[in-house]
Amino acid sequence: QKEVEQDPGPLSVPEGAIVSLNCTYSNSAFQYFMWYRQYSRKGPELLMYTYSSGNKEDGRFTAQVDKSSKYISLFIRDSQPSDSATYLCAMKEGTQGGSEKLVFGKGMKLTVNP
Amino acid sequence: DAGVTQSPTHLIKTRGQQVTLRCSPKSGHDTVSWYQQALGQGPQFIFQYYEEEERQRGNFPDRFSGHQFPNYSSELNVNALLLGDSALYLCASSYAGTQGYTFGSGTRLTVV
Repeated sequence: QKEVEQDPGPLSVPEGAIVSLNCTYSNSAFQYFMWYRQYSRKGPELLMYTYSSGNKEDGRFTAQVDKSSKYISLFIRDSQPSDSATYLCAMKEGTQGGSEKLVFGKGMKLTVNP
Repeated sequence: DAGVTQSPTHLIKTRGQQVTLRCSPKSGHDTVSWYQQALGQGPQFIFQYYEEEERQRGNFPDRFSGHQFPNYSSELNVNALLLGDSALYLCASSYAGTQGYTFGSGTRLTVV
């Protein structure tokens, strides 16, 4: 079983739709949860960052973490064509002396059609 | 404020050759990590450097080695290149003790 699983899609939605992206994980030591956006031929750009469980909102983006279910989500409201990109979930252990590496999902390619 | 800078942007090498990729971290960052991203996959952790030492290593063979310089810049070296080493190589920098990783645009390596 992979440490982080992400539906690779692709996903195509009309402009203005609500988009839901999800990841599951198996490592209970993960404490830091991130969503990155990656445009074609570019490096990943940090969108949202959450420590432990709960919700975090930033403009049209909401990140949710459910540690009991080992499940994280990213919601995009009022999606725009400029949101078309690959979205990667990433996680990191939080224990003192724990792993420093980010563990990524496979990435979900999103296309928002005008 | 310059972000993470990687060079070169593209590179074509022949199987069996050696390659060196370079990374300058974001200003104020002292930790550099390297990732390999194959086409259609998420980035995979290669190793991390802090205070000029390798702090942690992922599941990559010894053909992959690195170095960090006193100015925090870093190099990734790959020896005896294989076709399977073709990928986007990403450098990420951070400040020790924080969780904010900034990625560069990567070096696209093609091995023929």
